[in-house]
Amino acid sequence: QSALTQPASVSGSPGQSITISCTGTSSDIGGFNYVSWYQQHPGKAPKLMIYEVTNRPSGVSNRFSGSKSGNTASLTISGLQAEDEANYYCCSYSTTSSLVFGGGTKLSVL
Amino acid sequence: QVQLQESGPGLVKPSETLSLTCTVSGGSVNSRNDYWTWIRQPPGKGLEWIGYFYYGGSTSYKPSLKSRVTISADTSRNQFSLKLSSVTAADTAVYYCARLHSSRWPDGIGDWGQGTLVTVSS
Repeated sequence: QSALTQPASVSGSPGQSITISCTGTSSDIGGFNYVSWYQQHPGKAPKLMIYEVTNRPSGVSNRFSGSKSGNTASLTISGLQAEDEANYYCCSYSTTSSLVFGGGTKLSVL
Repeated sequence: QVQLQESGPGLVKPSETLSLTCTVSGGSVNSRNDYWTWIRQPPGKGLEWIGYFYYGGSTSYKPSLKSRVTISADTSRNQFSLKLSSVTAADTAVYYCARLHSSRWPDGIGDWGQGTLVTVSS
């Protein structure tokens, strides 16, 4: 059970849009519509931003959206704000009845 | 709003058993709606799902940790716990307890504790 693959870092300017990819296999991302995304600021606990590929919990800005195609899921953040600078982790359910996380992506807002 | 607080030793010796407790407020570990979860994060690295406990004693663990992990609940104290045996330095991490509500099963872990750092060292 390998970790999902994310880019180590992405960056964007305030107001721009960015997309973070998360690549797995047919045993996880490709096999289920159970992909979530977590935001983590340094020294803080992760925060759920997206679940079941596209669902946003109440209170999460609609600037955050999720999608999936095949074995790859994506998180898009539009209208980048300074407060979005954080680490982002994808997560998927897998055929082993467990959850697997990505290695994380550091988002820098320039 | 559920609140979770981890507690336990911050230092464990190699080959010993790591034991952590999570105290739940604003919810019940005896709820049929919740999966009580442990996740860890080695310093400077990514998140790793360990497993969960569900009402009635059902559990699910990460396959590579299954032989060393036990997650259980104490309904009288409204706590759930993690035991990880035969620890090595690779088990050094911040350990988070969390709640997964059944409406967001299996991937929407919405409530997290603040995390506690456990270091494995002699």
